[in-house]
Amino acid sequence: GAVVSQHPSRVICKSGTSVKIECRSLDFQATTMFWYRQFPKQSLMLMATSNEGSKATYEQGVEKDKFLINHASLTLSTLTVTSAHPEDSSFYICSARGSWRDTQYFGPGTRLTVL
Amino acid sequence: KQEVTQIPAALSVPEGENLVLNCSFTDSAIYNLQWFRQDPGKGLTSLLLIQSSQREQTSGRLNASLDKSSGRSTLYIAASQPGDSATYLCAVGDQGAQKLVFGQGTRLTINP
Repeated sequence: GAVVSQHPSRVICKSGTSVKIECRSLDFQATTMFWYRQFPKQSLMLMATSNEGSKATYEQGVEKDKFLINHASLTLSTLTVTSAHPEDSSFYICSARGSWRDTQYFGPGTRLTVL
Repeated sequence: KQEVTQIPAALSVPEGENLVLNCSFTDSAIYNLQWFRQDPGKGLTSLLLIQSSQREQTSGRLNASLDKSSGRSTLYIAASQPGDSATYLCAVGDQGAQKLVFGQGTRLTINP
């Protein structure tokens, strides 16, 4: 149990376009979802926390207008990178936590490359 | 602000050896601590979760300890195998929102 999926696993886009990444909890209801980014050979940095039905809480230094997060249901959260630029190229990982669980379950990640 | 440090950054050992990975954190007011494994280009696999009230957790050949007062945790891997090669990440959960703060990871290579 506690499986989290992400789609797509890999995306390449042109500079200036927007990209949407989906994160789904497949077998539990995720009251909270988290979005992280990871640059090559670096650790995960939390970008934002979202609770179902509420606005996301962004970490300091993360542009909320650039990284749009929607957590419209208990099994789906989306991250949209708007007007992507090459410096947004990174590995984006989501995690999900149910109200009765003590841990976060991580998705497999999405590799974003902006040309 | 919580900071998590992992030492060493990289480690290469022969197959069969026992090894220890270290993790330290600056704020002892934690909710829990987790050890993860990450294979290249992949997501995270949770290995062990230690609650703040616990001292250690074991799973198979893995044993993780937690000393909150000194801000340290260790991950002990017994009888290492080539399949253990991966990056190991330590993450500390804060008491409030249960956000995770990650260390930089230790890149482990087990040589056959």
